[in-house]
Amino acid sequence: EPEVTQTPSHQVTQMGQEVILRCVPISNHLYFYWYRQILGQKVEFLVSFYNNEISEKSEIFDDQFSVERPDGSNFTLKIRSTKLEDSAMYFCASGNRGSNQPQHFGDGTRLSIL
Amino acid sequence: AQTVTQSQPEMSVQEAETVTLSCTYDTSESDYYLFWYKQPPSRQMILVIRQEAYKQQNATENRFSVNFQKAAKSFSLKISDSQLGDAAMYFCAYRPSPNFGNEKLTFGTGTRLTIIP
Repeated sequence: EPEVTQTPSHQVTQMGQEVILRCVPISNHLYFYWYRQILGQKVEFLVSFYNNEISEKSEIFDDQFSVERPDGSNFTLKIRSTKLEDSAMYFCASGNRGSNQPQHFGDGTRLSIL
Repeated sequence: AQTVTQSQPEMSVQEAETVTLSCTYDTSESDYYLFWYKQPPSRQMILVIRQEAYKQQNATENRFSVNFQKAAKSFSLKISDSQLGDAAMYFCAYRPSPNFGNEKLTFGTGTRLTIIP
């Protein structure tokens, strides 16, 4: 069964540095998402992406964050000037529109900011 | 805005017994979808079961079933014949209908399920 893949599985970065989290969605999916889960807390929506543009973003997704689908297969989340509170698990998900199309999640990238 | 509430932070059940995890939600929409996701210690997010709000029949997937009460905005998950591999964090999630735009998921705070051998 096709799956969403995320790299790296764990990223350690110094505060203030830029980080790029990578995702390869399922190939025939058109909708892409990033979610975040701070340790011990619930999963929170960050951003959705369709047709090469952001379709919705949450309050968390401020100017520090950006997303891109640079080559038609990868879907990236960039965090500029990381802060300690950016430490979290970041999940990529993809799906298609419709009631019988659940979102498929990747295994996540654990981001640790030092 | 939609909210999802899971009032049981932790639950435990004896192996082979049945356990029910609670979830309530708030929405003004009539058409939407509800999901239960499982997150084992490996922290993957695994879809367990889904329910379309327009369907009166409760969804079932093998040992997993839901009790969907639309009027009460309640969506509980029943796990029968609990197994050690069921131990995980369980998240209830809400998704609006495609007719209402973006299909982002709104998650509850989760219930940690422990299986007692």
